[in-house]
Amino acid sequence: DQQVKQNSPSLSVQEGRISILNCDYTNSMFDYFLWYKKYPAEGPTFLISISSIKDKNEDGRFTVFLNKSAKHLSLHIVPSQPGDSAVYFCAAKVNTGGFKTIFGAGTRLFVKA
Amino acid sequence: DARVTQTPRHKVTEMGQEVTMRCQPILGHNTVFWYRQTMMQGLELLAYFRNRAPLDDSGMPKDRFSAEMPDATLATLKIQPSEPRDSAVYFCASGFFRDGPYGYTFGSGTRLTVV
Repeated sequence: DQQVKQNSPSLSVQEGRISILNCDYTNSMFDYFLWYKKYPAEGPTFLISISSIKDKNEDGRFTVFLNKSAKHLSLHIVPSQPGDSAVYFCAAKVNTGGFKTIFGAGTRLFVKA
Repeated sequence: DARVTQTPRHKVTEMGQEVTMRCQPILGHNTVFWYRQTMMQGLELLAYFRNRAPLDDSGMPKDRFSAEMPDATLATLKIQPSEPRDSAVYFCASGFFRDGPYGYTFGSGTRLTVV
Protein backbone atom coordinates (compact mmCIF):
# COMPACT_ATOMS: atom_id res chain seq x y z
CA ASP A 1 0.00 0.00 0.00
CA GLN A 2 1.83 3.06 -1.29
CA GLN A 3 0.68 6.02 0.76
CA VAL A 4 2.99 8.45 -1.04
CA LYS A 5 3.06 8.19 -4.81
CA GLN A 6 5.29 9.76 -7.39
CA ASN A 7 3.80 8.58 -10.63
CA SER A 8 6.43 10.00 -12.96
CA PRO A 9 9.66 7.98 -12.85
CA SER A 10 11.51 10.64 -14.82
CA LEU A 11 11.25 14.19 -16.13
CA SER A 12 13.37 16.04 -18.67
CA VAL A 13 13.54 19.85 -18.73
CA GLN A 14 15.57 22.44 -20.59
CA GLU A 15 17.94 24.60 -18.57
CA GLY A 16 16.29 27.85 -17.50
CA ARG A 17 12.76 26.46 -17.71
CA ILE A 18 10.50 25.38 -14.86
CA SER A 19 10.63 21.85 -13.45
CA ILE A 20 7.45 20.59 -11.81
CA LEU A 21 7.62 17.40 -9.78
CA ASN A 22 4.39 15.91 -8.54
CA CYS A 23 3.39 13.79 -5.57
CA ASP A 24 0.08 12.33 -4.43
CA TYR A 25 -0.78 10.90 -1.04
CA THR A 26 -3.61 8.88 0.39
CA ASN A 27 -3.26 9.26 4.16
CA SER A 28 -5.06 12.17 5.80
CA MET A 29 -2.91 11.73 8.91
CA PHE A 30 0.16 13.35 7.35
CA ASP A 31 1.00 16.71 8.94
CA TYR A 32 4.27 17.58 7.19
CA PHE A 33 5.49 17.01 3.66
CA LEU A 34 9.11 17.11 2.62
CA TRP A 35 11.19 16.98 -0.54
CA TYR A 36 14.63 15.43 -0.72
CA LYS A 37 17.18 15.44 -3.51
CA LYS A 38 19.53 12.53 -4.14
CA TYR A 39 22.66 12.33 -6.25
CA PRO A 40 24.18 8.95 -7.23
CA ALA A 41 26.21 7.24 -4.50
CA GLU A 42 25.07 9.78 -1.92
CA GLY A 43 22.33 9.85 0.68
CA PRO A 44 19.25 12.03 0.11
CA THR A 45 19.54 15.64 1.24
CA PHE A 46 16.69 17.66 2.65
CA LEU A 47 15.42 20.34 0.30
CA ILE A 48 12.21 21.96 1.52
CA SER A 49 9.15 21.12 3.58
CA ILE A 50 5.62 22.33 4.11
CA SER A 51 3.20 22.02 6.98
CA SER A 52 -0.24 20.63 6.22
CA ILE A 53 -1.77 23.90 7.44
CA LYS A 54 -0.10 25.86 4.64
CA ASP A 55 -0.53 25.77 0.90
CA LYS A 56 2.79 27.20 -0.23
CA ASN A 57 6.37 27.42 0.94
CA GLU A 58 9.18 29.06 -0.97
CA ASP A 59 12.95 28.87 -0.61
CA GLY A 60 14.97 30.50 -3.35
CA ARG A 61 14.38 28.67 -6.62
CA PHE A 62 12.30 25.99 -4.90
CA THR A 63 8.59 26.29 -4.13
CA VAL A 64 6.34 23.58 -2.77
CA PHE A 65 2.59 23.77 -3.25
CA LEU A 66 0.10 21.73 -1.25
CA ASN A 67 -3.49 21.03 -2.32
CA LYS A 68 -5.05 19.20 0.61
CA SER A 69 -8.43 18.66 -0.98
CA ALA A 70 -6.75 16.87 -3.88
CA LYS A 71 -4.12 15.23 -1.62
CA HIS A 72 -1.50 16.51 -4.00
CA LEU A 73 1.73 18.42 -3.67
CA SER A 74 4.23 19.66 -6.18
CA LEU A 75 7.76 20.99 -6.20
CA HIS A 76 8.58 23.80 -8.62
CA ILE A 77 12.16 24.61 -9.54
CA VAL A 78 12.65 27.91 -11.36
CA PRO A 79 14.92 28.38 -13.19
CA SER A 80 16.14 24.82 -13.60
CA GLN A 81 19.90 24.30 -13.70
CA PRO A 82 21.97 21.30 -14.87
CA GLY A 83 23.10 20.81 -11.26
CA ASP A 84 19.48 20.13 -10.32
CA SER A 85 19.66 16.83 -12.20
CA ALA A 86 19.04 14.24 -9.50
CA VAL A 87 16.36 11.96 -8.07
CA TYR A 88 13.73 13.84 -6.07
CA PHE A 89 11.82 12.10 -3.30
CA CYS A 90 8.56 13.27 -1.85
CA ALA A 91 8.03 12.31 1.80
CA ALA A 92 5.27 12.69 4.36
CA LYS A 93 5.35 12.62 8.16
CA VAL A 94 2.56 10.92 10.08
CA ASN A 95 1.06 13.04 12.87
CA THR A 96 0.81 10.28 15.43
CA GLY A 97 3.27 11.77 17.88
CA GLY A 98 6.33 9.96 16.58
CA PHE A 99 8.20 10.97 13.47
CA LYS A 100 7.35 8.19 11.08
CA THR A 101 8.14 9.49 7.61
CA ILE A 102 7.13 7.70 4.44
CA PHE A 103 8.84 8.27 1.10
CA GLY A 104 7.67 7.98 -2.47
CA ALA A 105 9.53 6.05 -5.14
CA GLY A 106 11.28 9.12 -6.52
CA THR A 107 11.36 11.04 -9.81
CA ARG A 108 14.57 11.37 -11.77
CA LEU A 109 14.99 14.91 -13.12
CA PHE A 110 17.22 15.60 -16.11
CA VAL A 111 18.02 19.24 -16.80
CA LYS A 112 19.50 19.67 -20.26
CA ALA A 113 21.99 22.42 -20.93
CA ASP B 1 29.94 19.89 8.63
CA ALA B 2 28.24 17.35 10.90
CA ARG B 3 27.37 14.17 9.09
CA VAL B 4 25.89 10.73 9.53
CA THR B 5 28.52 8.03 9.07
CA GLN B 6 27.62 4.57 7.79
CA THR B 7 29.89 1.56 7.59
CA PRO B 8 30.67 -0.38 5.54
CA ARG B 9 30.00 1.49 2.29
CA HIS B 10 29.82 -1.75 0.35
CA LYS B 11 29.24 -5.31 1.46
CA VAL B 12 29.14 -8.47 -0.63
CA THR B 13 28.14 -11.61 1.22
CA GLU B 14 26.90 -15.08 0.55
CA MET B 15 23.34 -16.11 1.17
CA GLY B 16 22.83 -17.30 4.72
CA GLN B 17 25.56 -15.17 6.23
CA GLU B 18 25.00 -12.58 8.93
CA VAL B 19 25.34 -8.94 7.93
CA THR B 20 25.73 -6.03 10.32
CA MET B 21 25.48 -2.43 9.17
CA ARG B 22 26.49 0.43 11.44
CA CYS B 23 25.50 4.04 11.71
CA GLN B 24 26.92 6.91 13.71
CA PRO B 25 24.25 9.59 13.96
CA ILE B 26 25.03 13.26 14.35
CA LEU B 27 25.84 14.11 17.95
CA GLY B 28 22.82 15.55 19.69
CA HIS B 29 20.26 14.15 17.28
CA ASN B 30 17.50 12.30 19.11
CA THR B 31 15.89 10.37 16.25
CA VAL B 32 17.47 7.73 14.02
CA PHE B 33 15.90 6.08 10.98
CA TRP B 34 16.81 3.07 8.86
CA TYR B 35 15.62 3.10 5.24
CA ARG B 36 16.17 0.67 2.39
CA GLN B 37 16.26 1.81 -1.22
CA THR B 38 15.23 -0.56 -3.96
CA MET B 39 14.43 0.13 -7.58
CA MET B 40 10.81 -0.87 -7.21
CA GLN B 41 9.88 0.53 -3.80
CA GLY B 42 11.93 3.68 -3.55
CA LEU B 43 12.87 4.42 0.06
CA GLU B 44 11.22 2.01 2.48
CA LEU B 45 11.17 2.81 6.18
CA LEU B 46 12.47 -0.18 8.11
CA ALA B 47 12.67 1.15 11.67
CA TYR B 48 13.26 4.25 13.70
CA PHE B 49 14.34 5.19 17.19
CA ARG B 50 13.74 8.19 19.38
CA ASN B 51 16.08 8.76 22.29
CA ARG B 52 17.43 5.25 21.55
CA ALA B 53 14.04 3.61 22.09
CA PRO B 54 12.55 1.76 19.11
CA LEU B 55 9.34 3.49 18.06
CA ASP B 56 8.41 1.58 14.97
CA ASP B 57 9.98 -1.40 13.27
CA SER B 58 6.91 -2.53 11.36
CA GLY B 59 8.74 -2.17 8.05
CA MET B 60 11.27 -4.87 8.87
CA PRO B 61 10.95 -8.61 8.25
CA LYS B 62 11.03 -9.59 11.91
CA ASP B 63 12.30 -13.09 11.40
CA ARG B 64 15.62 -11.99 9.96
CA PHE B 65 16.13 -8.27 10.61
CA SER B 66 16.92 -6.57 13.89
CA ALA B 67 17.76 -2.95 14.71
CA GLU B 68 19.32 -1.66 17.90
CA MET B 69 20.89 1.44 19.42
CA PRO B 70 23.34 0.21 22.05
CA ASP B 71 24.28 3.82 22.77
CA ALA B 72 23.60 7.32 21.46
CA THR B 73 26.55 7.17 19.05
CA LEU B 74 25.76 3.86 17.38
CA ALA B 75 22.80 2.32 15.60
CA THR B 76 23.00 -1.14 14.05
CA LEU B 77 20.93 -3.04 11.52
CA LYS B 78 21.51 -6.77 11.40
CA ILE B 79 20.30 -9.36 8.90
CA GLN B 80 20.57 -13.02 9.84
CA PRO B 81 20.39 -15.03 7.65
CA SER B 82 20.79 -12.82 4.60
CA GLU B 83 18.99 -13.59 1.33
CA PRO B 84 19.51 -12.35 -2.24
CA ARG B 85 16.30 -10.30 -2.03
CA ASP B 86 17.93 -8.24 0.74
CA SER B 87 20.30 -6.75 -1.84
CA ALA B 88 19.71 -3.00 -1.72
CA VAL B 89 21.18 0.25 -0.43
CA TYR B 90 20.52 0.76 3.26
CA PHE B 91 20.42 4.33 4.56
CA CYS B 92 20.60 5.64 8.06
CA ALA B 93 19.32 9.14 8.86
CA SER B 94 19.25 11.20 12.02
CA GLY B 95 17.54 14.36 13.18
CA PHE B 96 16.59 16.40 16.19
CA PHE B 97 12.87 16.78 16.43
CA ARG B 98 11.04 19.18 18.60
CA ASP B 99 9.28 21.25 15.98
CA GLY B 100 9.40 21.69 12.19
CA PRO B 101 10.60 21.56 9.45
CA TYR B 102 11.39 17.93 10.18
CA GLY B 103 14.20 17.55 7.67
CA TYR B 104 16.94 15.19 8.68
CA THR B 105 20.39 14.13 7.55
CA PHE B 106 21.10 10.92 5.67
CA GLY B 107 24.31 8.96 5.58
CA SER B 108 25.84 7.85 2.28
CA GLY B 109 24.40 4.37 2.61
CA THR B 110 25.61 0.77 2.68
CA ARG B 111 25.27 -1.06 -0.61
CA LEU B 112 24.55 -4.68 0.22
CA THR B 113 24.83 -7.47 -2.32
CA VAL B 114 23.83 -10.96 -1.28
CA VAL B 115 24.90 -13.66 -3.74
